[in-house]
Amino acid sequence: AQTVTQSQPEMSVQEAETVTLSCTYDTSESDYYLFWYKQPPSRQMILVIRQEAYKQQNATENRFSVNFQKAAKSFSLKISDSQLGDAAMYFCAYRSPFNTNAGKSTFGDGTTLTVKP
Amino acid sequence: NAGVTQTPKFQVLKTGQSMTLQCAQDMNHNSMYWYRQDPGMGLRLIYYSASEGTTDKGEVPNGYNVSRLNKREFSLRLESAAPSQTSVYFCASTLGGLVYEQYFGPGTRLTVT
Repeated sequence: AQTVTQSQPEMSVQEAETVTLSCTYDTSESDYYLFWYKQPPSRQMILVIRQEAYKQQNATENRFSVNFQKAAKSFSLKISDSQLGDAAMYFCAYRSPFNTNAGKSTFGDGTTLTVKP
Repeated sequence: NAGVTQTPKFQVLKTGQSMTLQCAQDMNHNSMYWYRQDPGMGLRLIYYSASEGTTDKGEVPNGYNVSRLNKREFSLRLESAAPSQTSVYFCASTLGGLVYEQYFGPGTRLTVT
């Protein structure tokens, strides 16, 4: 079974600064997908960024980027120029391939990000 | 295009009561999933349906049953609710194949007293 670990229950960052959220995972699968989701107080799960394991290039989406280290099974999220609206709980998630494991997801326990004005 | 919808948004049950949580998606997705989220924790998979007509257990299936009524709808039933089932329940769907993004519903907050 796959496991996802987020070792930072809480993080804080000053507005306009950069913060990095950590995530490690364990799997025996060679092909998979990794995601970061944002969950604001509204509870809605919002996809922030995704990374395909077969791609060596790190994914970026505007101010959000990842550092994907496949050999180390590490998948950290960097938020640049932090904004007050970035404050939320962030979840790292692992998804198995559809052809072998029905696309099932495993989530970490989350990191609560506070942005200070 | 409503995406993934869930009903109800909130529910309070007494121990031993039963209820069904409804989920529907209008994106013609093949796979649907039910998760629960306990305070301070991530989402844990209860049941999933890889395609219409199939259902399988996830990580925490005890105390639940599911029905994939058709391609659009995937319901979760609690036959005899217990306080340990107090949680927020999320339904999600995915097209499948090479499209891996999962779309989530707004969640149902369930309290069992």
